[in-house]
Parts: sequence; C-alpha cells; structure tokens
Amino acid sequence: GAVVSQHPSRVICKSGTSVKIECRSLDFQATTMFWYRQFPKQSLMLMATSNEGSKATYEQGVEKDKFLINHASLTLSTLTVTSAHPEDSSFYICSAGSGVQRGGYTFGSGTRLTVV
Amino acid sequence: RKEVEQDPGPFNVPEGATVAFNCTYSNSASQSFFWYRQDCRKEPKLLMSVYSSGNEDGRFTAQLNRASQYISLLIRDSKLSDSATYLCVVNPAYSGAGSYQLTFGKGTKLSVIP
Repeated sequence: GAVVSQHPSRVICKSGTSVKIECRSLDFQATTMFWYRQFPKQSLMLMATSNEGSKATYEQGVEKDKFLINHASLTLSTLTVTSAHPEDSSFYICSAGSGVQRGGYTFGSGTRLTVV
Repeated sequence: RKEVEQDPGPFNVPEGATVAFNCTYSNSASQSFFWYRQDCRKEPKLLMSVYSSGNEDGRFTAQLNRASQYISLLIRDSKLSDSATYLCVVNPAYSGAGSYQLTFGKGTKLSVIP
C-alpha cells in the first residue's frame, strides 16, 4: 500500500528558531499533499494544501509567511515553521494521495513539535 | 454549527459490548464520508468508507443518512484493541482534479475495559 514517511517524529526547539518537517511519498507520486495540525484533545485542522509545482493554498487564519510550504517534487513536501513560538507547539501531520484514492489518503506518522 | 460534529464521549464499555458512534455534518453537498481511527499520539488511519447503502467490515458497520446528514459507526463484540479515538471524516467538496480535502470531527474516545 501507499506509504508516507514524515520526519522528524519529534523535535524540541527554542523560541525564534525555524523547524523544517519533511513529508515523503515512498512508493507513489503525490500530486497533492495536505498539512494538518492537531492540538491536544482537538480535531485535525487543515493548514494548507500543497500542490506539486505551484504555490500552496492556505486555510483561513494560517499565516503563509510563518508556515512555509515547498512541494518541489512529486514525492516530497516540506513545512517550515519559521520563528517558532511556544503556541506553535503541536502535532503536525501530513497526508498524501495520488488522486486515485477516495478519502483513503495516507498519513505520515506525524511530528510532535515542542517550542521552549 | 460545526462542519462535523460527533458524540463527545468518552465511551467506556466492557469487552464484548456493542457500541455506536454518531456524527452529523453541515455541508449537504458533501460527497464522501469515512471513519478513521486514531491511537494516542499517532496518525489517523482509515477504518472504513461509508456508503449510502451501508457497509459492513467484520465487526464494524457504517451507515449514512444523507437526508439527515448523519453518519454512524457500530462496533460489535468490542475488543480491548478497539480502544482508540474514532474520527468522523467528511469530504466537503471536490477540491480540484485528482485531489480531495477532508474535514475531521473532534473524535470520540472509546475505552474497552476488561
């Protein structure tokens, strides 16, 4: 089946620094990748949709200059949290699909970010 | 009204019990519906899709009522391994060629007790 690799799984960083999270589709080409954020006891909230070769589409309330998304190839999308603050601490998850599946998008294993 | 609403939970049930989860969605144009399972501190995993005719996968049965904008999940003969958070997921609209966006409910936590 489709496999999505997300790295790192856990990161602790200081306030003001930037953190890059990678999401790779290992055995298929992902024209679209989605980035979600989940705070404790909350639902997954879509942050942005990443399309290969074009600019990402951000959801309302998500700062595009703070959460930089790059989808330079059909197998890799990156999310960079710039100038991280403690309130950015969350569980970030990517998902990817080739457009063939319906809803059966594969999720990465998630990245738990803690900003201190 | 929230886009996807679920029973608040948590549900604490004994092994072998039958438990039902409900979910309502606000967008009548929604096209696809799913139940995902999320274990603590893990990514969501697709449990099953939900079809208008209803569908069953072993101990799990999903139902969709488009008129009432209501989705359900029934788990029979609960196992300890069923303990997890169950997420109701809706595809609100077709978002472009070959891509789908998903809207997640907050989830309902299930604890199956020995």
